[in-house]
Amino acid sequence: EAQVTQNPRYLITVTGKKLTVTCSQNMNHEYMSWYRQDPGLGLRQIYYSMNVEATDKGDVPEGYKVSRKEKRNFPLILESPSPNQTSLYFCASSRLADSYEQYFGPGTRLTVT
Amino acid sequence: RKEVEQDPGPFNVPEGATVAFNCTYSNSASQSFFWYRQDCRKEPKLLMSVYSSGNEDGRFTAQLNRASQYISLLIRDSKLSDSATYLCVVNARNQFYFGTGTSLTVIP
Repeated sequence: EAQVTQNPRYLITVTGKKLTVTCSQNMNHEYMSWYRQDPGLGLRQIYYSMNVEATDKGDVPEGYKVSRKEKRNFPLILESPSPNQTSLYFCASSRLADSYEQYFGPGTRLTVT
Repeated sequence: RKEVEQDPGPFNVPEGATVAFNCTYSNSASQSFFWYRQDCRKEPKLLMSVYSSGNEDGRFTAQLNRASQYISLLIRDSKLSDSATYLCVVNARNQFYFGTGTSLTVIP
């Protein structure tokens, strides 16, 4: 089954404790992306990757890091989480950035206290 | 100014009604346009891509006006299952920009 998986689905953590949210896709897609969704603000792109070892900042990259060492995986790293990073996070992938539909993972609900 | 703007609604319509959603985008370099559907904080799912010539998929019709930087979605014969939030999405230079969504509730 074609899918994007994210782990964990739910996470409560404390300020400053480094965490990683994993994202994996089994569709051999080149493009992968991370979004955060906040009430009243919609989905905002954090980082995206056009292919292995090619990552770029989206609209709201501050406080986040990503890596793309393998085509299927695109982890999101919060080196020192803060309460303003409490949000619903989605990973997505697509074959090409501008022509193909994005498939989204189920989301990760993160709370930073 | 937001890259993509949508009327947040909510739209409450009876079953069988026709409803239209509008969206405007600010970046003239935008290349691709989409409507996504999102149910109650679940992941967004593609409803349809939007082409300059306009396109239709069953009860759904999407239109794009590049000159006015305007996108629309028309839903005919609304069903209860159409209740969701509809997201207007634009791609410009490999980045995706989402509207905040328009909430639709179809009432029996």
